[in-house]
Amino acid sequence: EPEVTQTPSHQVTQMGQEVILRCVPISNHLYFYWYRQILGQKVEFLVSFYNNEISEKSEIFDDQFSVERPDGSNFTLKIRSTKLEDSAMYFCASSVREGRGEQFFGPGTRLTVL
Amino acid sequence: AQSVTQLDSHVSVSEGTPVLLRCNYSSSYSPSLFWYVQHPNKGLQLLLKYTSAATLVKGINGFEAEFKKSETSFHLTKPSAHMSDAAEYFCVVSDIAGNQFYFGTGTSLTVIP
Repeated sequence: EPEVTQTPSHQVTQMGQEVILRCVPISNHLYFYWYRQILGQKVEFLVSFYNNEISEKSEIFDDQFSVERPDGSNFTLKIRSTKLEDSAMYFCASSVREGRGEQFFGPGTRLTVL
Repeated sequence: AQSVTQLDSHVSVSEGTPVLLRCNYSSSYSPSLFWYVQHPNKGLQLLLKYTSAATLVKGINGFEAEFKKSETSFHLTKPSAHMSDAAEYFCVVSDIAGNQFYFGTGTSLTVIP
């Protein structure tokens, strides 16, 4: 059964460093998403991406963040100049279509900023 | 604005007894609602979804949920818990375009042998 994969499973970085979280969505999916979950808090929407551009983003997704689909299979989330409060679990998701379609989630990347 | 409230952060049941995980939603339009399950070190897996068809929705692994508009609820049930059901469960509502998912805080289900 096809699934969304994410690498690495755990990333540790120093404050101020840049990190790139990688996701491989399901191959025939067209819509891609990033969510995060700070420990003990809700899973929060960050951004949705379609046709090589951002279709929607939340207030959390500021200039520190960027997304890219560099090669037609990977979908990346870049966090520039990481802060302590960026420590969280980051989930990637993909869907065949928007508009009430099911989103398929990856296992997450746990980011720890020291 | 859309939101969901999961009323219990932890639920503990004995194996073979019924499971009830509660979820109330808030939405300014007819919502799409989902239940996802997360086993340790695994991704979020869809259990079932409601998208304005039948109000009683059947999902995988014997789970079902009933959409009750009058109560703004979408509780998840299973007649008989199995050890493999132990996991974190998330109730989710989507925005009208389906682009954003709004998650509840999750309910951790423990199944006692």
